[in-house]
Amino acid sequence: AQKITQTQPGMFVQEKEAVTLDCTYDTSDPSYGLFWYKQPSSGEMIFLIYQGSYDQQNATEGRYSLNFQKARKSANLVISASQLGDSAMYFCAMRGDYNFGNEKLTFGTGTRLTIIP
Amino acid sequence: IAGITQAPTSQILAAGRRMTLRCTQDMRHNAMYWYRQDLGLGLRLIHYSNTAGTTGKGEVPDGYSVSRANTDDFPLTLASAVPSQTSVYFCASRDRSSYNSPLHFGNGTRLTVT
Repeated sequence: AQKITQTQPGMFVQEKEAVTLDCTYDTSDPSYGLFWYKQPSSGEMIFLIYQGSYDQQNATEGRYSLNFQKARKSANLVISASQLGDSAMYFCAMRGDYNFGNEKLTFGTGTRLTIIP
Repeated sequence: IAGITQAPTSQILAAGRRMTLRCTQDMRHNAMYWYRQDLGLGLRLIHYSNTAGTTGKGEVPDGYSVSRANTDDFPLTLASAVPSQTSVYFCASRDRSSYNSPLHFGNGTRLTVT
């Protein structure tokens, strides 16, 4: 079974500082993909970034980067130069291998990030 | 604007009543999903459909049913609602032909069962 663990229920960070949101995963699939989503207080789910298990480099999308450490089974989201608009709930999710019937996305419990002015 | 439409936005429902949550997408995605979001539990998959005419059970399917008569629509039915089904329900879709395609979500339906 696949599992995503987000150990930080809440975080408070000063504006303009960098922030790292932790995500560890557990799977026995040979290949998998990791996703991060943002959920602002308005409730919609916004896709941020994707990392494939065989990607050679860590994914980056603007101020978002993914610190992927395969041996440690971690896929932490790094937000550089945080802004007030980054205050939201953040979810880590994993998609497993099609061949193992694990293509459906499994989500973690989320981290609520609050940016302090 | 292309995307996923969910209806209703919110609903208060008496226990024991039947309810269908509607979901329509206009992106011609083959795969569609229903998740429920509960505080402290994240999003949990209820049912999914990889293509029109097929459905499958997710992590928490009990008390729910789905159908996929065509590509665009994926309704979720609660046959006899119970208070534990109070939750926010999200419909999502994706292009299954690309492994790294993200889920596109609707704006959710907030359901309260009293």
